[in-house]
Amino acid sequence: SQKIEQNSEALNIQEGKTATLTCNYTNYSPAYLQWYRQDPGRGPVFLLLIRENEKEKRKERLKVTFDTTLKQSLFHITASQPADSATYLCALPPNSGNTPLVFGKGTRLSVIA
Amino acid sequence: DTAVSQTPKYLVTQMGNDKSIKCEQNLGHDTMYWYKQDSKKFLKIMFSYNNKELIINETVPNRFSPKSPDKAHLNLHINSLELGDSAVYFCASSPAGRSNQPQHFGDGTRLSIL
Repeated sequence: SQKIEQNSEALNIQEGKTATLTCNYTNYSPAYLQWYRQDPGRGPVFLLLIRENEKEKRKERLKVTFDTTLKQSLFHITASQPADSATYLCALPPNSGNTPLVFGKGTRLSVIA
Repeated sequence: DTAVSQTPKYLVTQMGNDKSIKCEQNLGHDTMYWYKQDSKKFLKIMFSYNNKELIINETVPNRFSPKSPDKAHLNLHINSLELGDSAVYFCASSPAGRSNQPQHFGDGTRLSIL
């Protein structure tokens, strides 16, 4: 069955550095992948969608890559700020069935001033 | 001007009680969802409705009954609450029933069963 792994439960980095979060998947080939941000006590907020034919997508300080050979997406935040501290979730369409999205467990990012 | 709003934000109740959570979206979306996020933070789909019709029911006990009076509302009623129902429940909506559309989430209802 399909599996999504965000292999760091928590990541601490220094302010100003680039944060890199990983999303790996197995047992299927999704046509796209989404990234969300979740703050404590809040619902996830959509950030970016990248399609299988796109190698890279950018939005301000955010960059997402999608490597269908490695079955991996990387999520980068450049010039990180304490305000970037949150949990970041990747989400993929299901391998089959009508389930809208399958979410990873998330990586909790802490940017230290 | 909240896009997806759900009430209440917190719900503390005794085992065995029946409770409801309400959700409303003002985005004009056709599809609405209920998710459960447990203590391990996994976000799992429970139900999906498209234009008031049930599309997905993901192995959820029949104590959980969603109701959609119109496409802007999707409420969740839970009968005979159990300890294992303690979690955060999120309502979400999207423009269409396809999963390539971004989903818009409410801020969750934290349900605690005593």
